[in-house]
Amino acid sequence: AQSVSQHNHHVILSEAASLELGCNYSYGGTVNLFWYVQYPGQHLQLLLKYFSGDPLVKGIKGFEAEFIKSKFSFNLRKPSVQWSDTAEYFCAVIGAAGNKLTFGGGTRVLVKP
Amino acid sequence: DVKVTQSSRYLVKRTGEKVFLECVQDMDHENMFWYRQDPGLGLRLIYFSYDVKMKEKGDIPEGYSVSREKKERFSLILESASTNQTSMYLCASSRTGWGTEAFFGQGTRLTVV
Repeated sequence: AQSVSQHNHHVILSEAASLELGCNYSYGGTVNLFWYVQYPGQHLQLLLKYFSGDPLVKGIKGFEAEFIKSKFSFNLRKPSVQWSDTAEYFCAVIGAAGNKLTFGGGTRVLVKP
Repeated sequence: DVKVTQSSRYLVKRTGEKVFLECVQDMDHENMFWYRQDPGLGLRLIYFSYDVKMKEKGDIPEGYSVSREKKERFSLILESASTNQTSMYLCASSRTGWGTEAFFGQGTRLTVV
């Protein structure tokens, strides 16, 4: 069965600090990988996704993620965070064999002004 | 804009009641999903559907059922609500195919008393 593990439950940063959120997945075949974000009081929305090609993926709002197949990882990064990046971030995977979209436990990020 | 609409933002029900959560999407997506979101546990898949009248169990189907009579509508049913079903429920839809993303509704916060 596929699964997703996010290493940090809570992260607290100051503005302009760099952010890296870890994500590891478990699945034996080809995958699509996603990072979603949920700002306070809003619905989940897509930050970025990987499905093929360049393993370094750029998303909205200056976020990027790197797919490392050998490590089953898809870590999210942002070089310099802003207060408006305060949100909960979710990593998700869907395997090529099916339609089931599986999420990790989420990481709450608080950026202090 | 893709729209996934959940019928209620907040719902309070009594233990033992039958509860219906409704979700409608307007983008002709084949796949629809129901998740529950709990702090520290992320999003856990309850059921999903890849076509009208088709459904598959997710990771935590116990105590729930679903109905998909029309392509745009996916209902989650709690046959006899219990207090441990107090949660945020999220509906999502996606198109079948490689690299497609899921779109989410605003969520229904259900409290069972």
